[in-house]
This record gives sequence, structure tokens and C-alpha cells, in this order.
Amino acid sequence: KAGVTQTPRYLIKTRGQQVTLSCSPISGHRSVSWYQQTPGQGLQFLFEYFSETQRNKGNFPGRFSGRQFSNSRSEMNVSTLELGDSALYLCASSFGAVQETQYFGPGTRLLVL
Amino acid sequence: QKEVEQDPGPLSVPEGAIVSLNCTYSNSAFQYFMWYRQYSRKGPELLMYTYSSGNKEDGRFTAQVDKSSKYISLFIRDSQPSDSATYLCAMSRSSNTGKLIFGQGTTLQVKP
Repeated sequence: KAGVTQTPRYLIKTRGQQVTLSCSPISGHRSVSWYQQTPGQGLQFLFEYFSETQRNKGNFPGRFSGRQFSNSRSEMNVSTLELGDSALYLCASSFGAVQETQYFGPGTRLLVL
Repeated sequence: QKEVEQDPGPLSVPEGAIVSLNCTYSNSAFQYFMWYRQYSRKGPELLMYTYSSGNKEDGRFTAQVDKSSKYISLFIRDSQPSDSATYLCAMSRSSNTGKLIFGQGTTLQVKP
């Protein structure tokens, strides 16, 4: 069974631009969560989607948004990029929303210049 | 103050040593506790999952939760160089959510 896939794996953007990251969950998984990982703040929860509905949202500004499609694939978007948005963005999928079945993807490393 | 505190290390031990990793937390609503392992350039992988207080053992790994002290631990017996990674504790109020609160992670190096 294929794992969680995230594209692209690496991305370089400049301040003020916007970016869209993609996550394909494990087949059969309907819940997708997104996290931001930085050396200073560690792993921080961004949002969670289940069956195309946002179930939870973390404490991030409105520049961070996401969505989930009917095939459970998810995208997150960051508008008006800031230098501090440089991070590893991780996506995790689970069967239902059961934590024991939650698997993380390899992440997308975003560098904002 | 962060909800979950974890010493970032680094922690360096010789092969075969017993490793103890710990986290403290402030929110008594946390009921579910996890330990993840993250290798360089990889996403975290779930090692241990426990509910409420008590111990759970899986091979060389033992997870302990002491809710009265708001303290969780992960023990690794007979540590191997392949155990060298960052270990992250995580917690949540509910089992039915992807929203986890993570510690900062402890970097472990096991020397041959």
C-alpha cells in the first residue's frame, strides 16, 4: 500500500507570493491533517479535514487555508508569504479520524526568500 | 509557556544503553499520549500510543504515562545506532481527532 504522498517536496518562493501544497492520503483514509514544523516552534497543527469538511483549525493567520476534495486529496494554500513561513509542511492521513492509524508524509520543505 | 515541554537534547548514548525520554504537560484535559520517531528528511512515524495513565510495552520500547504528575516517558532498551533519530511526544484530548499537540522533540544519537 502506498504511503502518504506530498508534492512538491521542495519549494522556493519569495515574500509576497502565494503557494499551494498537495497531499494524497493513503488509499481509504478520509482524514487529513496538516502541520508546520520549524526548529523554533516544532510541530504545530494547522488544520484537519474529514470528508471534505474542516473539523479543526490551529492558531494560524487567515493566510493559511486548506481544502479537501471528494477523493480525500487535500491542498493547503499560503498567501502573501512571509520569511517566517519557511518550514517543513507535513500532512498526515488516517482511517476515519483514528489517531492510531495516522501516518505522516515526508513533507514539503518551503523556503521563503 | 508551552502546553507540552520536552528537552531537545541532544542526547548521546553508547549502543546497548537504556534511553529515557520525557515530556511534561500542563493541560489536564489530555487523555491520549503518543510517541513519534522522526528520521532526518522523513515524516514522523508513530511508535507508541497510550490512553490515560499506565504502561505499555512493545518490543524494546516502553511508554509510561503518569497523569497525576502530568509526565510521560519513553524507554528504549538495548539501544541501537538505528534508533538515532528525533523523538517527539504528542498528546490530544480526544482519540477522534487529528489535532495533536507536540513537544519540541529530543534528538537521540546512539554511538556504536
